[in-house]
Parts: sequence; C-alpha cells; structure tokens
Amino acid sequence: QSALTQPPSASGSPGQSVTISCSGTDSDVGVYNYVSWYQQHPGKAPKLIIREVSQRPSGIPARFSGSKSGNTASLTVSGLQAEDEAGYYCCSYGGSDNFLFGGGTKLTVL
Amino acid sequence: QVQLVQSGAEVKRPGSSAKVSCKASGGTFGSYSLTWVRQAPGQGLEWMGKIIPMLGTTAYAPKFQDRLTISADKSTNTAYMELNSLTLDDTAIYYCARGTLTAVGGGWFDPWGQGTLVTVSS
Repeated sequence: QSALTQPPSASGSPGQSVTISCSGTDSDVGVYNYVSWYQQHPGKAPKLIIREVSQRPSGIPARFSGSKSGNTASLTVSGLQAEDEAGYYCCSYGGSDNFLFGGGTKLTVL
Repeated sequence: QVQLVQSGAEVKRPGSSAKVSCKASGGTFGSYSLTWVRQAPGQGLEWMGKIIPMLGTTAYAPKFQDRLTISADKSTNTAYMELNSLTLDDTAIYYCARGTLTAVGGGWFDPWGQGTLVTVSS
C-alpha cells in the first residue's frame, strides 16, 4: 500500500480559510471512516486534531474541521491564526491491521 | 491523564539493533493499543506497527515485518520497539502513540510520546 497523497504546501493570510486534501484509494480512505489528522510544530511530537473523519477531540478549536468525499479526505482551517503554521498529516486505516500516513503538508500563515 | 515517556537518544552502527522504550505515566495502557511511528529527518510520518498490551498481539507494516519486534510489559506499563539490521536510512525520530481499539481494527493515535532520535552512523 502506498502513502496517502497530500499537497506539500498550503498557505493563507490570517483570518482566511485553507483546505488541505488527502487522497487515498477505495481500500483505505474510501472504505473506512478512520481518517485522522495530526498537527506537528517544528521539533514537537504530532498532536491529534481530527479523528474519525470529522470529530474534534476535546480542546481542539472549532476552527479545525474535517470531511470526506469518496477517496479524498479534507482538513479545513478557518480563521487562520499565526499559531496554525505547522505541518499537517492525514492518516487512514488501510485494513488488515495496517495504517497509512500522508506525506504531510506545510501550512504557512502569510 | 496518561503521558507517554520515551527513552533517550541513541547512536548505532549499521547492522546493529536499536531498542526504544515507551512508558505510560499517570495511567496504564488499559484497553488501548500502542503504536510506533517514525519520521526521518525532514520527512513525513511512517506507521511501523502496533501492539495490544492487554492481549500481547502485534501487527507490523509489511516494510518492517522481517526486522521489527514490538513488545510490552504490562507490569511496568512499558512498551518496546526493537529494530534490527539497521542501515543509514533508519536514522529517524521514533514516536510511540496510544491507539484506540475498534471493532474493525481502525482508530486514531493520542497521546504521543516525545520522540526518540536514533542515529545510525558508521
């Protein structure tokens, strides 16, 4: 199984919205609702921000939202803030006790 | 609130093995899995494998099937990741993370350990 496909970079100005895509196949993203998203600041461990496609864990701002259509999942960050500048990774269950990560997207707040 | 505390950085020779530990602080592994993910310098995240400490069952990514061993000691709430036959390409930060258990096997990872840098150098 190959890694999920994410754009390497995305950007937006403070207050704007940005959407990051995560493309998989009908063996992973397309068939399972276990898509999660992780935020990673430089030198830090990843942090869960979305689970099960669109569920926000406790303490995650409502500015972060997730969705899925077919084999592609998306993360939207609304009302961009400076502290949102980070790397973002999607992850999907791929069946047979296997997980796949995306290559990561570096989000720049202009 | 469970925190995962990993062992310190290691420097290894090509062909040797690295063993990293991950201890649950402030709680137990309970009814969760424990997953290992690595990140090469400047690269993305790569899922390596997992263990369900309660059952002792493991699963490995095909890429690591032949040289990765994940184990857990329930009495000390500590999990271990041992990677054999190291090459320069194994230089990376290795993270442990707690995973949920679901009926179909999927889930998500939260929280994460602080990461352990393993450097492979001749």
